[in-house]
Amino acid sequence: AQSVTQLGSHVSVSEGALVLLRCNYSSSVPPYLFWYVQYPNQGLQLLLKYTTGATLVKGINGFEAEFKKSETSFHLTKPSAHMSDAAEYFCAVTDSGGGADGLTFGKGTHLIIQP
Amino acid sequence: DGGITQSPKYLFRKEGQNVTLSCEQNLNHDAMYWYRQDPGQGLRLIYYSQIVNDFQKGDIAEGYSVSREKKESFPLTVTSAQKNPTAFYLCASSRLAGGGAGELFFGEGSRLTVL
Repeated sequence: AQSVTQLGSHVSVSEGALVLLRCNYSSSVPPYLFWYVQYPNQGLQLLLKYTTGATLVKGINGFEAEFKKSETSFHLTKPSAHMSDAAEYFCAVTDSGGGADGLTFGKGTHLIIQP
Repeated sequence: DGGITQSPKYLFRKEGQNVTLSCEQNLNHDAMYWYRQDPGQGLRLIYYSQIVNDFQKGDIAEGYSVSREKKESFPLTVTSAQKNPTAFYLCASSRLAGGGAGELFFGEGSRLTVL
């Protein structure tokens, strides 16, 4: 069975500071990994994904994440936070077979941006 | 534009009533999913379907029912047997093969409140 652990239900950073949201996964097979963002009362939007190939993945809005197999991690970073980044962020995993039975999600991290 | 449409956006229900949430997609995706979201709990899978006229239970299927009579449609019924139905419900779809397999596309969600 797969699982995802997101460290910190709430993360607060100052505008312009580095954003680091942590995600660790458990999977018995090579994983596909995803980060999604959710704004209040809306659906989830894909930020970036790792399937195969390059372990550093770039996404939308200046976010990137690095797949580290030895650490079973897929942390999300952004060099400089913007007020518009305030949202809920979800890390998700599925197996490399394509995940026909859906993604397994972490519990989410609420990102707070302080002016 | 292609996407997923959920309706209604907000729904109020009295205890003991069944309600049906609509989900329609025009992405030509084979697979469709229903997730339930509660504060601090992340997303939990209710039901999913990989093909018309077939569906499987997810992690929290009790008190819910679905149908998949058309590729484009995957309605969810919240029955009176669901003990705590107040939640935000998200519908998603995905390809099952080829590039992009595993990635979920989400609707805007339906918020159900039981009075």
